[in-house]
Amino acid sequence: GQQLNQSPQSMFIQEGEDVSMNCTSSSIFNTWLWYKQEPGEGPVLLIALYKAGELTSNGRLTAQFGITRKDSFLNISASIPSDVGIYFCAGRAGGYQKVTFGTGTKLQVIP
Amino acid sequence: DADVTQTPRNRITKTGKRIMLECSQTKGHDRMYWYRQDPGLGLQLIYYSFDVKDINKGEISDGYSVSRQAQAKFSLSLESAIPNQTALYFCATSGGHNSPLHFGNGTRLTVT
Repeated sequence: GQQLNQSPQSMFIQEGEDVSMNCTSSSIFNTWLWYKQEPGEGPVLLIALYKAGELTSNGRLTAQFGITRKDSFLNISASIPSDVGIYFCAGRAGGYQKVTFGTGTKLQVIP
Repeated sequence: DADVTQTPRNRITKTGKRIMLECSQTKGHDRMYWYRQDPGLGLQLIYYSFDVKDINKGEISDGYSVSRQAQAKFSLSLESAIPNQTALYFCATSGGHNSPLHFGNGTRLTVT
């Protein structure tokens, strides 16, 4: 089946620093999704990407759909304490295909 | 009010008991999903349904069953709970072709 490798598994950063995380797939996706999960809550959609090469921003967050359609990255600029959480990438190979999730990147921000 | 509501939020049960987790949505979405989350393993798909008459197995359906009672309701059952089914369970919905998933706040299930 499809596998998603997400890295890094965890990060400790200073407040104000930029953050970068990425996902690579063993197969081609036509949709990439990025989610954030906070303790005691379900994952919340941050950014959805639908086209190879697409670069989309949501406030301080920017995500890109890789040209090969097998990877995606998420950048967070000027991190703040409320960015703490687990970030998941997810991909879908087609409209009727299931969504596959990465194993998550746990982000901790040191004030 | 949450668009995707899961009940209960927490449940402790004993090995061998039958339990049901419920999910309801007000988003008007046709597609509904049940996922299981274990530490370090991300989210794994248990079952999904594209409309009321449609039920499909996911990656880890053994030991689980589902019922799509209406467009807005999708329940997950464990017929005979076992300790390795201790996990966080999430219901999700999506609006259709290529639409992203929208999650509920989860049910934390502990099987002793």
